Amino acid sequence: KNEVEQSPQNLTAQEGEFITINCSYSVGISALHWLQQHPGGGIVSLFMLSSGKKKHGRLIATINIQEKHSSLHITASHPRDSAVYICAAQPSYGGATNKLIFGTGTLLAVQP
Amino acid sequence: EAGVTQFPSHSVIEKGQTVTLRCDPISGHDNLYWYRRVMGKEIKFLLHFVKESKQDESGMPNNRFLAERTGGTYSTLKVQPAELEDSGVYFCASSLDFYEQYFGPGTRLTVT
Repeated sequence: KNEVEQSPQNLTAQEGEFITINCSYSVGISALHWLQQHPGGGIVSLFMLSSGKKKHGRLIATINIQEKHSSLHITASHPRDSAVYICAAQPSYGGATNKLIFGTGTLLAVQP
Repeated sequence: EAGVTQFPSHSVIEKGQTVTLRCDPISGHDNLYWYRRVMGKEIKFLLHFVKESKQDESGMPNNRFLAERTGGTYSTLKVQPAELEDSGVYFCASSLDFYEQYFGPGTRLTVT
């Protein structure tokens, strides 16, 4: 079992819908990252969280440290949001390294 | 400011051949990471450099993989000899501090 689990693996939504992607992790973390990869594109960092909630435009990321769970929300989704969204944990046991442990990603398709 | 760059973007080689991937981090970033995603799997950590020193190489799959970062600037990842299971996308990332990592576009390696 992977230390970082994401759900759903695939998600299709209609333009304008509210979208939630979930991430659960089993390791102690110093931070939790949400990343985005558009088809044929590179990986872009969306959020880095260690507690609470962050918002950037239509994207909101929350984390519950006690429950070891994070969610990424997209409000008023748009076809340009279609991408793979990846959750990655930065474990606190890593010592002097801050390697990331990745989930398998969620492939989001927003239809017009 | 230039981002993380990787070369080549795509490499196709035969089993048993040697391939060298290159990563140029963002200028001034002491931390450099190598990750890879094999088909259908999550992205996995390979190793972490701090300047020219290997801070963590726990993710290197075997001794066919050799990473170097001479002078603490760009890094190379050599696979010798390449095997079919080495096919995948190799990502490089760099960071200034212990947190946000900036990813390169990746090198797609196909071993036939």
